[in-house]
Amino acid sequence: DTGVSQDPRHKITKRGQNVTFRCDPISEHNRLYWYRQTLGQGPEFLTYFQNEAQLEKSRLLSDRFSAERPKGSFSTLEIQRTEQGDSAMYLCASSFYGELGNQPQHFGDGTRLSIL
Amino acid sequence: GDSVTQMEGPVTLSEEAFLTINCTYTATGYPSLFWYVQYPGEGLQLLLKATKADDKGSNKGFEATYRKETTSFHLEKGSVQVSDSAVYFCALRVGGQNFVFGPGTRLSVLP
Repeated sequence: DTGVSQDPRHKITKRGQNVTFRCDPISEHNRLYWYRQTLGQGPEFLTYFQNEAQLEKSRLLSDRFSAERPKGSFSTLEIQRTEQGDSAMYLCASSFYGELGNQPQHFGDGTRLSIL
Repeated sequence: GDSVTQMEGPVTLSEEAFLTINCTYTATGYPSLFWYVQYPGEGLQLLLKATKADDKGSNKGFEATYRKETTSFHLEKGSVQVSDSAVYFCALRVGGQNFVFGPGTRLSVLP
């Protein structure tokens, strides 16, 4: 299977701890996106990369959140000093952007974060 | 700003019933429109899309027509199956930017 993969699927941690999630996009995709989805809501955009460059960050991405895509392939999303409100599903998506514009995004299964 | 509004769920139907899930949008530019589906425990999957006015997207028996005059992209299926039970998200994208999703509509199909 060459879809978008995310690790871990579930993460339970205590408030105040740091957590890091990983996303491996579809290999030929140059764009990678992070979204947050809370229960009963649609995904909300957090940030995206084109290759290794982080091109846009949402105002939802507080200074406790940081994302990297160092080699333009996999990406990590780190949350420092987690808070109860960080409990959500974190979704990663990838797409190819080229001469024909931005192709549809393909989503991973997400990482569900639960803050105790 | 850009936004998407969907009919509230949950929607509960019997197998073989006709499905409509309403979606309307506001956008500052000329958006592409999408329907994504999320099955239990899984990520979002693209169901269908339309990139310009009057285009009809279709897939797996589902259809949606891009109506610029009413800023709508309603999802329809003539005969639903139990396996269609999922959450359906309407979304838009302006230019090459990120998606704006609606809140989702949960569909339950009973045998």
